[in-house]
Amino acid sequence: DAKTTQPNSMESNEEEPVHLPCNHSTISGTDYIHWYRQLPSQGPEYVIHGLTSNVNNRMASLAIAEDRKSSTLILHRATLRDAAVYYCILRSSRVFGNEKLTFGTGTRLTIIP
Amino acid sequence: GAGVSQSPRYKVAKRGQDVALRCDPISGHVSLFWYQQALGQGPEFLTYFQNEAQLDKSGLPSDRFFAERPEGSVSTLKIQRTQQEDSAVYLCASSPHRVQNEKLFFGSGTQLSVL
Repeated sequence: DAKTTQPNSMESNEEEPVHLPCNHSTISGTDYIHWYRQLPSQGPEYVIHGLTSNVNNRMASLAIAEDRKSSTLILHRATLRDAAVYYCILRSSRVFGNEKLTFGTGTRLTIIP
Repeated sequence: GAGVSQSPRYKVAKRGQDVALRCDPISGHVSLFWYQQALGQGPEFLTYFQNEAQLDKSGLPSDRFFAERPEGSVSTLKIQRTQQEDSAVYLCASSPHRVQNEKLFFGSGTQLSVL
């Protein structure tokens, strides 16, 4: 499986934008980029995913580099409830044998009031 | 709302005891996953079901771990003769279809402590 690299931790001020980076230099053409986050004492929750184009939803935006070797999750206005561990995961679009998500250690985001 | 439900929320076991952890996926979800999460680490895949069929059990750490989903809905993860290294949070997730980029819905997990 192609791997991702994320900073162990980041801090951001409340109500400011947050940019969470992810490197995935060995990404293949069939890999989608997924982001999940895990709040304290909760299971992971889906945030967003994309293939080549930038993506927006109500939670966040995903900016994907033109060569697809890196991506950035953008929280437009961080709140205290966004404090969590954020995981960047590559997931193949092949049908067989790749149903599971493979998590790394993620980025622990701390929001400063 | 009717999310993924796991029980018990906490389980304390003496070393050598058998434990059974239950997962109620979202109704109608075809795919079901079990993960193990040690303190400070990301979740590690254990096993995957599509309906009642266990299609991938490559992550089960030993033959003491066994999972089943006999009717394609509720699943049970059983750990026999528990060891201290089994202490972790066990997470269950489900997704609606057998499609590669369906998002997974996770439960809050069962925290297992083996003394």
